[in-house]
Amino acid sequence: EPEVTQTPSHQVTQMGQEVILRCVPISNHLYFYWYRQILGQKVEFLVSFYNNEISEKSEIFDDQFSVERPDGSNFTLKIRSTKLEDSAMYFCASSENLAYEQYFGPGTRLTVT
Amino acid sequence: AQKITQTQPGMFVQEKEAVTLDCTYDTSDPSYGLFWYKQPSSGEMIFLIYQGSYDQQNATEGRYSLNFQKARKSANLVISASQLGDSAMYFCAMNADTGNQFYFGTGTSLTVIP
Repeated sequence: EPEVTQTPSHQVTQMGQEVILRCVPISNHLYFYWYRQILGQKVEFLVSFYNNEISEKSEIFDDQFSVERPDGSNFTLKIRSTKLEDSAMYFCASSENLAYEQYFGPGTRLTVT
Repeated sequence: AQKITQTQPGMFVQEKEAVTLDCTYDTSDPSYGLFWYKQPSSGEMIFLIYQGSYDQQNATEGRYSLNFQKARKSANLVISASQLGDSAMYFCAMNADTGNQFYFGTGTSLTVIP
């Protein structure tokens, strides 16, 4: 069964460093998303992406964040200068269409020290 | 804006018994979707079940069913014949058909007791 994959599974970085989190959505899906989950808290929406552009973003998704689909399969989230509070699990998701169920990847646990 | 409320931070159920996890929602959109996800201790988010706001019948997927009461704005998840592997966090989520993002509740931690 097709699934969303994410790499790396765990990333440790120093405050101020740039990180890139990678995702491969399900191949026939058209909508891509990033969410984050701070430890013990609920899942929060960051951004959605469709037709090679951001379609919606939350207040969390400030200028520090950017997303890109560099080729036909990868979908990346870049955090330019990480802060301690960026430590969280980051989930990529994809859906076939708007309002359809979103399939989540296994997540990347980001730890900022 | 959409809002999801899960009032049960933790639930216990005996193996083989049924359990209901509560979820209420608030939205002004006439068309929306309701979803349940399971998050085991390993951390991944597993899609369980979907209910559309215009669906006449309650959704069912194997041992999972969604008790959808539109007038009460509730979308409770019922797990029948609980198994030890059902122990996990369960999140209720919704999105409006006009939007992309999912709004998640705070989750319910379910523990199945042998």
